[in-house]
Amino acid sequence: GESVGLHLPTLSVQEGDNSIINCAYSNSASDYFIWYKQESGKGPQFIIDIRSNMDKRQGQRVTVLLNKTVKHLSLQIAATQPGDSAVYFCAENPPRASKIIFGSGTRLSIRP
Amino acid sequence: GAVVSQHPSRVICKSGTSVKIECRSLDFQATTMFWYRQFPKQSLMLMATSNEGSKATYEQGVEKDKFLINHASLTLSTLTVTSAHPEDSSFYICSAAQLGRNEKLFFGSGTQLSVL
Repeated sequence: GESVGLHLPTLSVQEGDNSIINCAYSNSASDYFIWYKQESGKGPQFIIDIRSNMDKRQGQRVTVLLNKTVKHLSLQIAATQPGDSAVYFCAENPPRASKIIFGSGTRLSIRP
Repeated sequence: GAVVSQHPSRVICKSGTSVKIECRSLDFQATTMFWYRQFPKQSLMLMATSNEGSKATYEQGVEKDKFLINHASLTLSTLTVTSAHPEDSSFYICSAAQLGRNEKLFFGSGTQLSVL
């Protein structure tokens, strides 16, 4: 079936460095992608989204890159802070489906 | 941003009992609400899509008679886990979409269900 997956289940980053979290998706027809942050015991929090007609979108300290050729998404977090520690999920809106499907998640931990 | 309130945040129940979880959109109308389930260290799995005034659409493998969903108003959806068993213990999360914007979801804070 359709799935959205991640390359790395865990990522450890030095505080202040940039973090890059990757995601592969399987449905080439998907036209909308979202990154969520989930802290322990809480619901997902929207970070940034991107449509398939774009290859890059920037927010505050975050950038999402979309490579449709290889069906790859990445989330870049600049100057990673302790508060960035969480699990990050990419998610996908499959075509002709009003629902969001989540990938497998990457845990980001910050080294002081 | 839009706020989705989910209650209770944590519930412990005996095997065989039923548990109801509420999901409310506080400051917007949600024609569609989604219910997800999350096991420890795993991703969110979509259980069902709930549309106001109509029957919910369940994902493959989700028992509709076990997980009863009601979406009686534009601001409230409920999930009832009937005859709960220990294997139903999980983190349940609802999300709501604003009118005409099904891809923009706002999530509740989740309900940790523990069945003894």
